[in-house]
Amino acid sequence: VTLLEQNPRWRLVPRGQAVNLRCILKNSQYPWMSWYQQDLQKQLQWLFTLRSPGDKEVKSLPGADYLATRVTDTELRLQVANMSQGRTLYCTCSAALRTISNERLFFGHGTKLSVL
Amino acid sequence: AEKVIQVWSTASRQEGEELTLDCSYETSQVLYHLFWYKHLLSGEMVFLIRQTSSSTAKERSGRYSVVFQKSLKSISLIISALQPDDSGKYFCALWESSSGSWQLIFGSGTQLTVMP
Repeated sequence: VTLLEQNPRWRLVPRGQAVNLRCILKNSQYPWMSWYQQDLQKQLQWLFTLRSPGDKEVKSLPGADYLATRVTDTELRLQVANMSQGRTLYCTCSAALRTISNERLFFGHGTKLSVL
Repeated sequence: AEKVIQVWSTASRQEGEELTLDCSYETSQVLYHLFWYKHLLSGEMVFLIRQTSSSTAKERSGRYSVVFQKSLKSISLIISALQPDDSGKYFCALWESSSGSWQLIFGSGTQLTVMP
């Protein structure tokens, strides 16, 4: 049973357009939800961790601008804008913020974005 | 530039053998943490072992151990007595913080196949 449902799985994005991604959490035992980006070199990088409904954060990285929103206890969204290079976005969930030790960290299947 | 580099994308060994997975990283921080994770098909990133930059102890956890060469910015994972269940994708990750924020960066992973 997958803990996280990400959609869409793949999207072609015209240059200059924004795209909205959704992630649905299936198990409230792991309420800390995060977004990771994976670049074309396959490196995974943490973007955001949002715990509570209403939490929002923005970040600009080489090749894309991001706006993350924790919509509800079970839904996390990500708006990707000004994307100049393709990438894959992964949603994760865990039971605690500090996933750097032996906390369980679950990844969704990812959404692959390609620039048209 | 990539911050966490895993040179080998794939590796294969026979059951019972020992394997060393290499990882190099870049950071300007004095204090940081390095992790090895195993990615399961379920999406879970299973924590294996951690190395703190300030520690000189040779970390070991069961069949997992690390060789940490701080001056070379290198950390290798050694898995002894390989079993078929050890097959999977192994990620090296760097955790660092600066100016009050933190980031966790994964390498591109090494897919391991252990043959019975």
